[in-house]
Amino acid sequence: GNSVTQMEGPVTLSEEAFLTINCTYTATGYPSLFWYVQYPGEGLQLLLKATKADDKGSNKGFEATYRKETTSFHLEKGSVQVSDSAVYFCALSVYYGGSQGNLIFGKGTKLSVKP
Amino acid sequence: AAGVIQSPRHLIKEKRETATLKCYPIPRHDTVYWYQQGPGQDPQFLISFYEKMQSDKGSIPDRFSAQQFSDYHSELNMSSLELGDSALYFCASSGDRGQQYFGPGTRLLVL
Repeated sequence: GNSVTQMEGPVTLSEEAFLTINCTYTATGYPSLFWYVQYPGEGLQLLLKATKADDKGSNKGFEATYRKETTSFHLEKGSVQVSDSAVYFCALSVYYGGSQGNLIFGKGTKLSVKP
Repeated sequence: AAGVIQSPRHLIKEKRETATLKCYPIPRHDTVYWYQQGPGQDPQFLISFYEKMQSDKGSIPDRFSAQQFSDYHSELNMSSLELGDSALYFCASSGDRGQQYFGPGTRLLVL
């Protein structure tokens, strides 16, 4: 079946530190990969996405590259800020029957950035 | 730009009561998805609709039902509520069967 595994948190970093959150997936077919962010008490916001192998998604200084050979989509940011404190979810969906299927999420990684 | 609207934003119910959650998709979006996120958990897919027909079904309990109406809004009906139904319920919509856009969620508390 389809599944997403991401590193467990919580992750605590100092401001301006380098961030990596690991995400690997298992999927049949050709998945699209996503990172969503959830700030405290809020909904899910799409952070970035990649729809095919070797694509790099990027947004707000965050990047992730779709690696088919390692079935990975690790999230990185060179210099985190206090405002990046949130829960980050890796997710996939498989395109079938002419449509994007439902999202399958990882367990989420809570990031806390200290000043 | 218009976003996905969910109502109510907060709901408190007693055990064994019923609840109805509503979702208004982005204009011209024809697909609606429902997800449930328990406390500290990842969102779990419940059910989806495309052009007013059920398109996929996930881990939705038999006590729950949903439909999509002619104006594309969707309602999730939950009966015989249990304590474990306390969660954040998200609706997402998409157009041309593409990227999903999430609403702010409805927080349901069952006492």
